[in-house]
Amino acid sequence: DAKTTQPTSMDCAEGRAANLPCNHSTISGNEYVYWYRQIHSQGPQYIIHGLKNNETNEMASLIITEDRKSSTLILPHATLRDTAVYYCIVRATSMNRDDKIIFGKGTRLHILP
Amino acid sequence: EPEVTQTPSHQVTQMGQEVILRCVPISNHLYFYWYRQILGQKVEFLVSFYNNEISEKSEIFDDQFSVERPDGSNFTLKIRSTKLEDSAMYFCASSRDGQETQYFGPGTRLLVL
Repeated sequence: DAKTTQPTSMDCAEGRAANLPCNHSTISGNEYVYWYRQIHSQGPQYIIHGLKNNETNEMASLIITEDRKSSTLILPHATLRDTAVYYCIVRATSMNRDDKIIFGKGTRLHILP
Repeated sequence: EPEVTQTPSHQVTQMGQEVILRCVPISNHLYFYWYRQILGQKVEFLVSFYNNEISEKSEIFDDQFSVERPDGSNFTLKIRSTKLEDSAMYFCASSRDGQETQYFGPGTRLLVL
């Protein structure tokens, strides 16, 4: 089972920042927080990941709390094309093994015009 | 930007037939994965593959399924004697090594009649 808890759905107005929360209270020290999204009928798309520090790339920012028990994905200026299911995933990246991704149900984000 | 490609995008087959789904992973990646998503359900891990052998498989990946890397570029999923419940989107993914980010292809929609 997925080790994360996300709201089932969220709405956000176009042009505003979309803040998607995720709880991962049982995260271990060697586990990263990954975010993917899936636009309807497409493959999961990697967005961002982090371990302890906040991260930013051209798509989004990831804010991880100091205790690492929760995180927030921020899409700074949401557009209609950001409508998708967003998955928060906790993933161990141990040496000498490949780690499958366990997807939960994610958050269905609707961007409203 | 390099990406994972999959063919065909859609496949319709009769129950009991064999299908081969093809994937071309990102060229310098060494770890390969198959996932599937039944309509309306979560993305599920099927199998991971490294160094020409399966490194992990799920309960779903029974004797009906097989994977192969027949040459230096393709990675295939064969489903023998297809069943109605094999109808799903099948996603291929690859990563440079087992600890790193997995990148997904666009998927093959398989419909078994």
